Amino acid sequence: KQEVTQIPAALSVPEGENLVLNCSFTDSAIYNLQWFRQDPGKGLTSLLLIQSSQREQTSGRLNASLDKSSGRSTLYIAASQPGDSATYLCAVLYYNQGGKLIFGQGTELSVKP
Amino acid sequence: DTGVSQNPRHKITKRGQNVTFRCDPISEHNRLYWYRQTLGQGPEFLTYFQNEAQLEKSRLLSDRFSAERPKGSFSTLEIQRTEQGDSAMYLCASSLARDEQYFGPGTRLTVT
Repeated sequence: KQEVTQIPAALSVPEGENLVLNCSFTDSAIYNLQWFRQDPGKGLTSLLLIQSSQREQTSGRLNASLDKSSGRSTLYIAASQPGDSATYLCAVLYYNQGGKLIFGQGTELSVKP
Repeated sequence: DTGVSQNPRHKITKRGQNVTFRCDPISEHNRLYWYRQTLGQGPEFLTYFQNEAQLEKSRLLSDRFSAERPKGSFSTLEIQRTEQGDSAMYLCASSLARDEQYFGPGTRLTVT
């Protein structure tokens, strides 16, 4: 079964800390992987997209890596700020899925001032 | 690029009533997706369209649910005879082919 898992479910850090969010997937035959941010009661904001052939993508203070062989992706957030507090979701598009993203349950991040 | 829009943003309905939601994708995107999200969970796929063709439906999409995308533009999702278990956030997304999916703000449905 193709699944996506995110651990931990919740994370609290002091402002300024660098942090890593984890995402694991059960099948290495992925087409791409997306990281999203979701604020309470809101829709999803796409942060980074990594294609299957790529190892990492960077946007500002965010860096996402992809290791298909180990079935893992990480989202690195540098110099965290209270405004980074949100739920972060990882989603995988597998090759044999036409368009269906399979999501993890998310990591709820709280950055304390 | 005005982004994906969804209407209404909130809907409260009584059990047994029918509801319809609308999604307007990013104009140049040929694919449109519907997902459902319950509290504390990641979104779950419901269905998707490429242009006006509905290419895949999840088994979550019971016969009370129907989605259309006439003329390959906006899409509607209708739920007939709503049940309390239908209470959720309904999210719409669009993309160009299998590229990055962009999500709308969602429609929160509450069935009383």
